[in-house]
Amino acid sequence: DGGITQSPKYLFRKEGQNVTLSCEQNLNHDAMYWYRQDPGQGLRLIYYSQIVNDFQKGDIAEGYSVSREKKESFPLTVTSAQKNPTAFYLCASSIDRGGENIQYFGAGTRLSVL
Amino acid sequence: ILNVEQSPQSLHVQEGDSTNFTCSFPSSNFYALHWYRWETAKSPEALFVMTLNGDEKKKGRISATLNTKEGYSYLYIKGSQPEDSATYLCAPLFTNAGKSTFGDGTTLTVKP
Repeated sequence: DGGITQSPKYLFRKEGQNVTLSCEQNLNHDAMYWYRQDPGQGLRLIYYSQIVNDFQKGDIAEGYSVSREKKESFPLTVTSAQKNPTAFYLCASSIDRGGENIQYFGAGTRLSVL
Repeated sequence: ILNVEQSPQSLHVQEGDSTNFTCSFPSSNFYALHWYRWETAKSPEALFVMTLNGDEKKKGRISATLNTKEGYSYLYIKGSQPEDSATYLCAPLFTNAGKSTFGDGTTLTVKP
């Protein structure tokens, strides 16, 4: 089945540790996105990518990094510089950035700090 | 960061009640608006894409309207059912930004 796969479902980070969240899609979509959700809040954009080897910062990029070496993959690294990483992280993709192209979401990764 | 407001934040209704909620956004540079439904333990799924002022979209008992001049969209649910319980997110896009901005959502709980 086509879709977006995020892994792991749950992740724990120790102080000072970098962790990487995986996002893979087989929808042949050009655009991919990473969002963070905190309790009681909506989705805030961390990074997005329109095409392979290109990505842009979203509204809350500090403390995060991404890569887009392949069309189907858009991993997110939560670095030690992110002082409050505990949140729910969602990955999404769309055909392109056109306004009529809806986003398809993965099931999410819940990150907690030990 | 663009200001997108959804109201109310949460809503509790009885099965069979009709309900509506609002998404407000800056009217300048509007390009399109998406509505998503996010059920517990599932991924958000798109409900509607709206682009033109005066747009009305309908899917079963759920419908949405769009006013781009005043910067708001309404989502209506007629005869709410327990399976409508979810968080409803709106995400407008603007021509001067290459990305959507999500509101905080309205969480609907329909009691049997």
